[in-house]
Amino acid sequence: DGGITQSPKYLFRKEGQNVTLSCEQNLNHDAMYWYRQDPGQGLRLIYYSQIVNDFQKGDIAEGYSVSREKKESFPLTVTSAQKNPTAFYLCASRPERGARSEQFFGPGTRLTVL
Amino acid sequence: ILNVEQSPQSLHVQEGDSTNFTCSFPSSNFYALHWYRWETAKSPEALFVMTLNGDEKKKGRISATLNTKEGYSYLYIKGSQPEDSATYLCASVPNTGNQFYFGTGTSLTVIP
Repeated sequence: DGGITQSPKYLFRKEGQNVTLSCEQNLNHDAMYWYRQDPGQGLRLIYYSQIVNDFQKGDIAEGYSVSREKKESFPLTVTSAQKNPTAFYLCASRPERGARSEQFFGPGTRLTVL
Repeated sequence: ILNVEQSPQSLHVQEGDSTNFTCSFPSSNFYALHWYRWETAKSPEALFVMTLNGDEKKKGRISATLNTKEGYSYLYIKGSQPEDSATYLCASVPNTGNQFYFGTGTSLTVIP
């Protein structure tokens, strides 16, 4: 089945450790996105990528890093520099650039930093 | 950063009631407005993509309208059913076309 997978569903890490969240899509979509959700807030954009080997910072990129070496993969690393990393992280993809194409979302990863 | 607001924050209705919610967004540099439905333990799914002032979209019992001049969109659900229970998100896309700015969502609970 075509779709977006994120793993793991739940992730626990100790403070000060870097952690990488996986996002894979087999939809052949060009664009991929990472969002963060906190209680009482809307989805906020961390990073996005329109094409392989290119990515752009979103509104809250500080303390995060990404790579886009393959079209189907867009991993997100939460570094120790991220001051408040505990949150729900959603990955999404879109078939093309432009505002008319909808986003397709993965199931999300809930990260808890102890 | 665009400020997108949704109201109400949450809503409880009886099965069979009709309901509506609002999404407000900056009207300047507007390009598109998206609506998504997010059921518990599932991924958000797209409902509508709207771009033109006066646009109306319909999918079954759910419909949406768009006013780009004043910066708002309404989502209507006619004859609510328990399976309509979900959080409804809207996202505004400015004319750069790349970033989506989401509201905080309206949580709908339909009571059987």
